[in-house]
Amino acid sequence: AQTVTQSQPEMSVQEAETVTLSCTYDTSESDYYLFWYKQPPSRQMILVIRQEAYKQQNATENRFSVNFQKAAKSFSLKISDSQLGDAAMYFCAYRSEYAGNNRKLIWGLGTSLAVNP
Amino acid sequence: KAGVTQTPRYLIKTRGQQVTLSCSPISGHRSVSWYQQTPGQGLQFLFEYFSETQRNKGNFPGRFSGRQFSNSRSEMNVSTLELGDSALYLCASSPGTSGGGETQYFGPGTRLLVL
Repeated sequence: AQTVTQSQPEMSVQEAETVTLSCTYDTSESDYYLFWYKQPPSRQMILVIRQEAYKQQNATENRFSVNFQKAAKSFSLKISDSQLGDAAMYFCAYRSEYAGNNRKLIWGLGTSLAVNP
Repeated sequence: KAGVTQTPRYLIKTRGQQVTLSCSPISGHRSVSWYQQTPGQGLQFLFEYFSETQRNKGNFPGRFSGRQFSNSRSEMNVSTLELGDSALYLCASSPGTSGGGETQYFGPGTRLLVL
């Protein structure tokens, strides 16, 4: 079974600085997708970035980028120029490409990010 | 496009009661997934419905059930509520036809408190 591990329950960053959130996963599959979701205090889960496992190029969305290391099964999220609005719970998630029960999102336990002014 | 909506947003029930939560997906989306979020267990997959059929199921007891209507709206039901069912229940929708890479769009959740 696939698992997702986020080893940093809490992190903090100064406004305008850069922070990296860690995520590792375990799978025997070769085709899958990885996601970072953000959950602010409103509890609305918002997609931050998505990575296809077959793509070597790291995904980027504005100030958010990932470092995807497939062999190491590592998928870290880098937030540049941190803003107060980035304060939230960040979840790393895995989803298989294959049909059947493997298609569910499998989640890490999250990292709570505080942004200090 | 309107986002995913969930009703009610908050609910208080007592042990032994049953509850029904509703989710309206984004227009055109045919897949609806449900997740339970608790501080102790994190996010756990409940089930996924696609075109009125349950396509995937998580490891929850039979007290948790769901259904999907022809307009893709989905409901989940929890019977004989237990204290441990207190959680945030999240619904997510996606087109349902493009494989594992589809982005799931989440609703604001229903917070259930069981007393």
